[in-house]
Amino acid sequence: GIQVEQSPPDLILQEGANSTLRCNFSDSVNNLQWFHQNPWGQLINLFYIPSGTKQNGRLSATTVATERYSLLYISSSQTTDSGVYFCAPRGSGTYKYIFGTGTRLKVLA
Amino acid sequence: DTEVTQTPKHLVMGMTNKKSLKCEQHMGHRAMYWYKQKAKKPPELMFVYSYEKLSINESVPSRFSPECPNSSLLNLHLHALQPEDSALYLCASSQGTVSPLHFGNGTRLTVT
Repeated sequence: GIQVEQSPPDLILQEGANSTLRCNFSDSVNNLQWFHQNPWGQLINLFYIPSGTKQNGRLSATTVATERYSLLYISSSQTTDSGVYFCAPRGSGTYKYIFGTGTRLKVLA
Repeated sequence: DTEVTQTPKHLVMGMTNKKSLKCEQHMGHRAMYWYKQKAKKPPELMFVYSYEKLSINESVPSRFSPECPNSSLLNLHLHALQPEDSALYLCASSQGTVSPLHFGNGTRLTVT
């Protein structure tokens, strides 16, 4: 099955800083999602991005499927951005979304 | 995301108990999923139902028994669990294979 690795595993930022989170996957995929898991365990959809670039407020994401990676950009970080960020790609013709190892983000006031 | 509803939010059960987790969605999605998440780990897929039929079982022990009574409901029946089964159990749904997942808020299960 697809192997999914995220980097960095842990990240501490000062409020207002920018960051880039990376997701590498081992096989071709036909879609990919980014999620934010808050401290209460809720998984919140950020992006559904099989390819290309999307933006939503301070967040944007880029997936380059041919090179098997996706990036999540967080600009002007806020303390409410703290939590764990997961990417989850899905291979062609399957219902299986496989979650990456996650990036644990802490934003300090 | 609050369009997938999971009950209960918290559950404590003994190793000899039988209990069930419930998941409901009214988005007309035809695929439903159970994921298990241990502390500080990513969610791991357990089961997938597609059009009310079990399409994926990730070699889950038989003490976990899924059921999909109709396209809106997904249950997970629990029997003779072990303390190591304590985890956050997440339900999700999607329209199909090229559609995004929508998660419920999860059931936090403790087995004593």
